[in-house]
Order: sequence, then structure tokens, then C-alpha cells
Amino acid sequence: DTGVSQNPRHKITKRGQNVTFRCDPISEHNRLYWYRQTLGQGPEFLTYFQNEAQLEKSRLLSDRFSAERPKGSFSTLEIQRTEQGDSAMYLCASSSTGTGGFEQYFGPGTRLTVT
Amino acid sequence: KQEVTQIPAALSVPEGENLVLNCSFTDSAIYNLQWFRQDPGKGLTSLLLIQSSQREQTSGRLNASLDKSSGRSTLYIAASQPGDSATYLCAAGSSNTGKLIFGQGTTLQVKP
Repeated sequence: DTGVSQNPRHKITKRGQNVTFRCDPISEHNRLYWYRQTLGQGPEFLTYFQNEAQLEKSRLLSDRFSAERPKGSFSTLEIQRTEQGDSAMYLCASSSTGTGGFEQYFGPGTRLTVT
Repeated sequence: KQEVTQIPAALSVPEGENLVLNCSFTDSAIYNLQWFRQDPGKGLTSLLLIQSSQREQTSGRLNASLDKSSGRSTLYIAASQPGDSATYLCAAGSSNTGKLIFGQGTTLQVKP
């Protein structure tokens, strides 16, 4: 399977705990995006990387959130001191700045539940 | 600030009907517009991508149009089937970052 993969698919954690999600993009894609989606809403942009450089972060990304993309391959999104308001689906997407017109391909998402 | 709106929020049609989903955006300086399908609890599947220089794209029973001057895009689904039942999302792509600004989606139910 050469699509975008995300792990874990589901995560249940207690308030105050730290969680980390992983995204593996399509191998030849140099751009990687993180979005958050709550029930009944469209996804909201969180941050994106071009290769290993994090080029933009949304105001939604508080200082409890950090994302990395070492060596421009997979990416991790960490949430520290989770709050109930962090419960959402976290989606990762990748695209290429070459051919394809920046078309984004999404992974299956990680559903986070904070109790 | 780009804002994307989709109307209607929900739609129920009998099988076989042709239908149109609407998407509007406030800033015409988009790089592209992408339509997605999302099944309950799942990720997003890309349906069609329209570049800012294009007017429409077609894939099978789907046809998407783009009118930048009026800030509108439509997704036309021909001969709808129960398997088309899902939430359809449109997203406007930023010119420099490629980040997508999404509408809230239209939830479609096609009844057999």
C-alpha cells in the first residue's frame, strides 16, 4: 500500500497525559500537512512541512502541540497535557510540489478521545 | 481570510437522481479547489482537483466546475446510487502554502 498511513488509528487517554501520533506520507511527496476535525465540521489546518522544514503553524496549534518531520520523511504530532477539548480526529495529508498540482492525499486519521 | 461555505448541509435523494452540491469561497486568489468524499469515521478520499486556470474536471459520474470570479464551485453527481451516500467536502487551496480551507460538508443520503 503506497498511500498515507497513520498510527495509531484510535487513542484513548486521560486528561493531562501526553500523546504522540505518527504519519507516514506517500514516499515521493515533499509536503506534509496536519489537520484536526471535530464532529460535524470540516477539517481545520494545523501545520505543514516542506521536506523537514515546518513552514506554517495555525493559531489553533497551542504551545502544548508540537510537530516534527525529521529527515523529511515521517512526521509526528505530540500533544502534551491533553485536555478534553483536544478530542478530535487528527488527519495527515501529503502532496508534491512537482506534478499533480498540489493535490493532497489523506490518511485514515487518528481518533483521539480524552477522558 | 478565506472562508468556504457548503450548501445544503444535508441532502436526501432517491436513487437515480442527478444532483448538484454547492461550494462558495470568499477569496478568489486560490491555487486550486479540491472535492473530497468522507465516509463515517474515515479519512478523506480525493474525488476531483481543479486548478485555478481550469473551469471543470470530470471523473466518471462526477463533474466539478470552478468559477473564480463568482467564488463558486459545484459538484455534479449523475445517476446517484446508494453507494454515493457520504459527506462531501470542498476545500480551497492556498496559492503559496497549498494548505486547504474546508467547508463544513454536505451529507448526502441516496435512498434505494
